[in-house]
Amino acid sequence: GAGVSQSPRYKVAKRGQDVALRCDPISGHVSLFWYQQALGQGPEFLTYFQNEAQLDKSGLPSDRFFAERPEGSVSTLKIQRTQQEDSAVYLCASSLATGTLNTEAFFGQGTRLTVV
Amino acid sequence: QKEVEQDPGPLSVPEGAIVSLNCTYSNSAFQYFMWYRQYSRKGPELLMYTYSSGNKEDGRFTAQVDKSSKYISLFIRDSQPSDSATYLCAMSAQAGGTSYGKLTFGQGTILTVHP
Repeated sequence: GAGVSQSPRYKVAKRGQDVALRCDPISGHVSLFWYQQALGQGPEFLTYFQNEAQLDKSGLPSDRFFAERPEGSVSTLKIQRTQQEDSAVYLCASSLATGTLNTEAFFGQGTRLTVV
Repeated sequence: QKEVEQDPGPLSVPEGAIVSLNCTYSNSAFQYFMWYRQYSRKGPELLMYTYSSGNKEDGRFTAQVDKSSKYISLFIRDSQPSDSATYLCAMSAQAGGTSYGKLTFGQGTILTVHP
């Protein structure tokens, strides 16, 4: 596709349930980011991949959060034992950048996770 | 205190007005400054990008960066109802010897332009 694709668009999970969120970046984009956007807030960095390597996971809020990008394209963000505070929009972004900053990051539409 | 502060508004203006949006920041390492527009239930889209201090103009939009004051602004001239959205400032620094575009966002300002 032409843009970053995320699925599902909406997810309702019962507290304690595990969820998996998928991101399909723009073809050929080396860099992939996950951000978490709480209601009324700006996105906050979770983790970064350069190809299949996870170079920065400093923003992951707890060890219940895990991300992977095994073949350097599609990425999955997994949240185990979901809690109410995990309710947010999870945004994926990709860019051509590697070692440079002046290339645009394209965002997907996000997955809105609601934990009940 | 957050690294990037942005007044959340909301801001409501009549069509044709000049809109001024601002952010302040505390991290001196930030060198790349961006403004994103986010429509409801959509992902952010890049509006303006500036490196270091200075001004940049693109159509009705002007971005200004004052690194000495740690202050950035976005001006929208002749605002239109289609400009109604949340505007997010974002910044990035070089992380050691590897830069990869990790963004720190402001809270976002909700703008409504009414006809």
